[in-house]
Amino acid sequence: SAVISQKPSRDICQRGTSLTIQCQVDSQVTMMFWYRQQPGQSLTLIATANQGSEATYESGFVIDKFPISRPNLTFSTLTVSNMSPEDSSIYLCSVVSGGVNLSGYTFGSGTRLTVV
Amino acid sequence: SQKIEQNSEALNIQEGKTATLTCNYTNYSPAYLQWYRQDPGRGPVFLLLIRENEKEKRKERLKVTFDTTLKQSLFHITASQPADSATYLCALSNSGYALNFGKGTSLLVTP
Repeated sequence: SAVISQKPSRDICQRGTSLTIQCQVDSQVTMMFWYRQQPGQSLTLIATANQGSEATYESGFVIDKFPISRPNLTFSTLTVSNMSPEDSSIYLCSVVSGGVNLSGYTFGSGTRLTVV
Repeated sequence: SQKIEQNSEALNIQEGKTATLTCNYTNYSPAYLQWYRQDPGRGPVFLLLIRENEKEKRKERLKVTFDTTLKQSLFHITASQPADSATYLCALSNSGYALNFGKGTSLLVTP
C-alpha cells in the first residue's frame, strides 16, 4: 500500500494566521482526501482533491477557509486560513489503495493543530 | 439523514476472550464497508473491507460480517491481546470513494 508523509506533525498557531499542511505520497494516486478529527470525535471529510481539477468540498467546508492544492499525482496541500480556536483539530490526508480492486485507504500520520 | 453508529461506551474485555464491536448505519446503500484501527495520536490503519455481496470476511484473528438487510456490521477479534487495545472505526461510502466514519468504539483488553 501507499506510504504518506504528512507534515508538520503538530503546530501551535496564533488566531488569524494560516497554516499549510503537506502530504507527499510515494506513488501516483488519482484522489486524495482531507479529513478533520476534532477532539473526541471521529473523522469528518473536508474535501476530495483530484489532480488537475478543483477540489470538491463537503457541506460545511468552503474553499476560502480550506484552500487545497493538488499540483501533481503525488502531492497535495491543505491550508487552514484565518484560524480560530475552533479550528484546533487533527488534520489527516488519505489516499485509496488498490485502485479498482480497492484494498482500503492509507492515512497520513496527521497534523495536530492548536490555535491560541 | 445519514448516520453511522458505533457503541460509544468503551468495551473492556479480558485477554483471550473475543471482542465484538457493532456498526449500524442508516440512509446508506454502501457497496462496501471498512474497519480501521486508530491508536492515540496516530492516523487510522486499514484492517478489513467487506463488499455488499459478502456475508463474512476473515483475516487472521479478525472477522467481519455484513448484513445489508439489518444495515449492520459486526467486527470480531478472537483471542484478544492487550496489544489489540485501540479505537476501532467503521467506515462506508454511499457512492464514489469518499469515506464517512463512525465515532469509533474504544477497546481495552486487560491481562
